[in-house]
Amino acid sequence: QVQLHQSGPGLAKPSQTLSLTCVISGDSVSNNRATWNWIRQSPRRGLEWLGRTYYRMRWFTGYAVNVKSRITITPDTTKNQFSLQLNSVTPDDTAVYYCVREDVGPTTYFDLWGQGTPVTVSS
Amino acid sequence: QSMLTQPPSASGTPGQRVTISCSGSSSNIGSNTVNWYQQVPGTAPRLLIYGNDQRPSGVPDRVSGSKSGTSASLAISGLQAEDEADFYCGTWDDSLNGYVFGTGTKVTVL
Repeated sequence: QVQLHQSGPGLAKPSQTLSLTCVISGDSVSNNRATWNWIRQSPRRGLEWLGRTYYRMRWFTGYAVNVKSRITITPDTTKNQFSLQLNSVTPDDTAVYYCVREDVGPTTYFDLWGQGTPVTVSS
Repeated sequence: QSMLTQPPSASGTPGQRVTISCSGSSSNIGSNTVNWYQQVPGTAPRLLIYGNDQRPSGVPDRVSGSKSGTSASLAISGLQAEDEADFYCGTWDDSLNGYVFGTGTKVTVL
C-alpha cells in the first residue's frame, strides 16, 4: 500500500524558514510516471499548489509563481523522500501543508495525499 | 495565483441531484483535463473524478463529471448524507505553468 508520511515543525517565526519532509512508502521518488508535489490550504487562499519535483532521466523542479523566489523542493533518493523549504515566512504562510503524488499518464491527477501538517507562522 | 470559479455552496435533499460548476479560461480548463476532489473537513482531499469524466475505483457511478469549453461540471445524483463535503475542481494552467484549484463548493444534504 502506497503511503506518504509528513514530518516537520508546526510552528515557525516570521522571517524564518519552514521545513517539511515527506517519506514515501510503496513507491519511489524516482518513479518516472509520477511527480511529487507540495500543496497547502488555508481559509483565505483555499487550496494552493506550491511546486513539484520529478525524475525524467534527470531531476526537474517547478514552482508556483507567487512563491518561486522563496521555495525549494528537494528529492532524496537515499531516503526515498522529498522535502519543502519555504524561506522568509510571514503569517500569510499559515496553512495546512500536504505532500501529494501526481500520477502521470494519459491524464494527470493528484491521487495520493499525505496526512497534512498544520503550520502556524507567529512570533 | 489564479483560481477557478465555483459556487460557494450547493444543497439538496436525500435522493436529489446536485450540480457544481467550475469556470476557468482558455489557458487552464480550455487546454487541459479537469479533476475533481472531495474533502471531508479535517481530512485530506481525495480524488473523485479525473480526466474530465473518469471515476477512480471506489467512486460510485452516481458521481459524474463533464467539460465543455472553459467550464466543467460535477454532478452527484441520488444524494446521500455521506456526500456532505467540500468539492474542488483543479487543472493545469499553461500560462502560469502551474496547477490551479477551484474556490471550492460546500455541499449540504438537507
